[in-house]
Amino acid sequence: GQQVMQIPQYQHVQEGEDFTTYCNSSTTLSNIQWYKQRPGGHPVFLIQLVKSGEVKKQKRLTFQFGEAKKNSSLHITATQTTDVGTYFCAGYNYGQNFVFGPGTRLSVLP
Amino acid sequence: GAGVSQSPSNKVTEKGKDVELRCDPISGHTALYWYRQSLGQGLEFLIYFQGNSAPDKSGLPSDRFSAERTGGSVSTLTIQRTQQEDSAVYLCASSLARGSVSNQPQHFGDGTRLSIL
Repeated sequence: GQQVMQIPQYQHVQEGEDFTTYCNSSTTLSNIQWYKQRPGGHPVFLIQLVKSGEVKKQKRLTFQFGEAKKNSSLHITATQTTDVGTYFCAGYNYGQNFVFGPGTRLSVLP
Repeated sequence: GAGVSQSPSNKVTEKGKDVELRCDPISGHTALYWYRQSLGQGLEFLIYFQGNSAPDKSGLPSDRFSAERTGGSVSTLTIQRTQQEDSAVYLCASSLARGSVSNQPQHFGDGTRLSIL
């Protein structure tokens, strides 16, 4: 079945440093969604990418969908303590179900 | 407050007992999902409801797990004869109808933290 992997599993950065998490699917996707889960909280939707090679920005966050629609990345510029949490990607293929990656846990040291 | 509501927030029970978890989705959301999240892990898909269609039960780990959705709204997840490995946070999410290429955001509840003694 479809598998979604994320790297790294953990990332510790100093406040102000950049951060990137990578998501890789074993199969081509129809779309991919990204979620953020704060410690003790529930996942919150960030964005959806649909088109091959798509790039979307939300303030300091940049999301990319690979040309082959099998991988994606989330890049945060100049991290802040409010960025702390676990970032999940969720891959979707039509007729199947969302498959969530294991997540990347981000710690930001002030 | 029109978010996804789950109850109870915490449930502690003895091994072998049955438990019932409830999810009240956002009004108008026809899609409803159940996930399981073990400590420090990702989300494991359990079951998906879409309107009045037959649910996709492909993620249920064993026949001890079942779920229903009455009237296309409230859903209950039942675990019979609980085992210690069932301990986890059970998350419910709802969304507008799922598409073929593009999808709607999933809105998650706060989850039920289930502990089996």
